Amino acid sequence: DAGVIQSPRHEVTEMGQEVTLRCKPISGHDYLFWYRQTMMRGLELLIYFNNNVPIDDSGMPEDRFSAKMPNASFSTLKIQPSEPRDSAVYFCASSKQGVPMDEQYFGPGTRLTVT
Amino acid sequence: GEDVEQSLFLSVREGDSSVINCTYTDSSSTYLYWYKQEPGAGLQLLTYIFSNMDMKQDQRLTVLLNKKDKHLSLRIADTQTGDSAIYFCAGNSGYALNFGKGTSLLVTP
Repeated sequence: DAGVIQSPRHEVTEMGQEVTLRCKPISGHDYLFWYRQTMMRGLELLIYFNNNVPIDDSGMPEDRFSAKMPNASFSTLKIQPSEPRDSAVYFCASSKQGVPMDEQYFGPGTRLTVT
Repeated sequence: GEDVEQSLFLSVREGDSSVINCTYTDSSSTYLYWYKQEPGAGLQLLTYIFSNMDMKQDQRLTVLLNKKDKHLSLRIADTQTGDSAIYFCAGNSGYALNFGKGTSLLVTP
């Protein structure tokens, strides 16, 4: 399997623009997680899905952030409008079952820079 | 989420042992994990320990858990330059993971 695929790997955008990050989980995995990594706050869970349904979005910073999972093989994280403080590395991860029963597999991340 | 605290940096010489420490506050975590992140890459599971265990050994890695003090440590024996990375401690919180900020390990020749 190719592992978790994320695109783009790098994104540079101007403040106020819409940004869409994409993730393809490992085939057969029922759980999908979105994380954000910054120097100040470390690795934070934003939202996770089970069988395409959002289960916990309490980590989503504010209404500017939204996430969807229209099918088992694709998820998006959208920021509209983007702000400089959104600059971070965004990771997608998937697992066959939720922890603790199963390992989470991480994608390579999308480095977002908002100027 | 609950707090997971780690020291930020550790530097060791090649061949020495490394010990990375972590404290956590969520006593409901049934598993505790160590993940490794190499530069420019995602996180990769190194090892984990069930919360009713005190110790787990996996080749060069030894995990010690003091549940009373909520303290977890990862010992890497015979540390190599390829072990230079960021190491994250995490506990399960429901079906998700709660991570510490990570410890940057630098291994010098």
